Amino acid sequence: QKEVEQNSGPLSVPEGAIASLNCTYSDRGSQSFFWYRQYSGKSPELIMFIYSNGDKEDGRFTAQLNKASQYVSLLIRDSQPSDSATYLCAVNNQAGTALIFGKGTTLSVSS
Amino acid sequence: GAVVSQHPSWVICKSGTSVKIECRSLDFQATTMFWYRQFPKQSLMLMATSNEGSKATYEQGVEKDKFLINHASLTLSTLTVTSAHPEDSSFYICSFGGALLNTEAFFGQGTRLTVV
Repeated sequence: QKEVEQNSGPLSVPEGAIASLNCTYSDRGSQSFFWYRQYSGKSPELIMFIYSNGDKEDGRFTAQLNKASQYVSLLIRDSQPSDSATYLCAVNNQAGTALIFGKGTTLSVSS
Repeated sequence: GAVVSQHPSWVICKSGTSVKIECRSLDFQATTMFWYRQFPKQSLMLMATSNEGSKATYEQGVEKDKFLINHASLTLSTLTVTSAHPEDSSFYICSFGGALLNTEAFFGQGTRLTVV
């Protein structure tokens, strides 16, 4: 079973700070990487996706991918209390037949 | 983005009964749908891949006779939890996409199943 590893947290940051969320994956053949945000009792919602090595920025969010290190991260700048949620890292398998999720990191942004 | 409608959003049933969860793709045709289960404070665990017109592919450890999947059309997949027990209480979510390169996953709203 291919794995996606995340620190469960909780990760606590003050409002306005940068939150850094990390994820490692085991399947070297993975090509698609996603960050989802999930509020309690709700379905995940897509924050960002990244397919190529390097950084990808979208508003306050930056995804970083390093395929050689099998590492993907999400930076949230100017964190807001509304960003408090569980962030799930997801990676497709090499065969392209499934999306594997990490356990998620709980982020708490205090005002 | 694509819309996936899942129903019901919440169900309570007695032990031993069966519950059917529907997942509809509203604006696209889905040859493949995914069914996940999520226990409290755990991640989404893939249960099975639902293939239109053929048998579902189950992940290791998931009982195919207990979790019946039917994907009879390109817009509807159903998951039936048969002879439900309290340990089946969980959050069940269907999704489409995300496995292939350059596709993102679209999720249904999820179904909170409580077996009493």
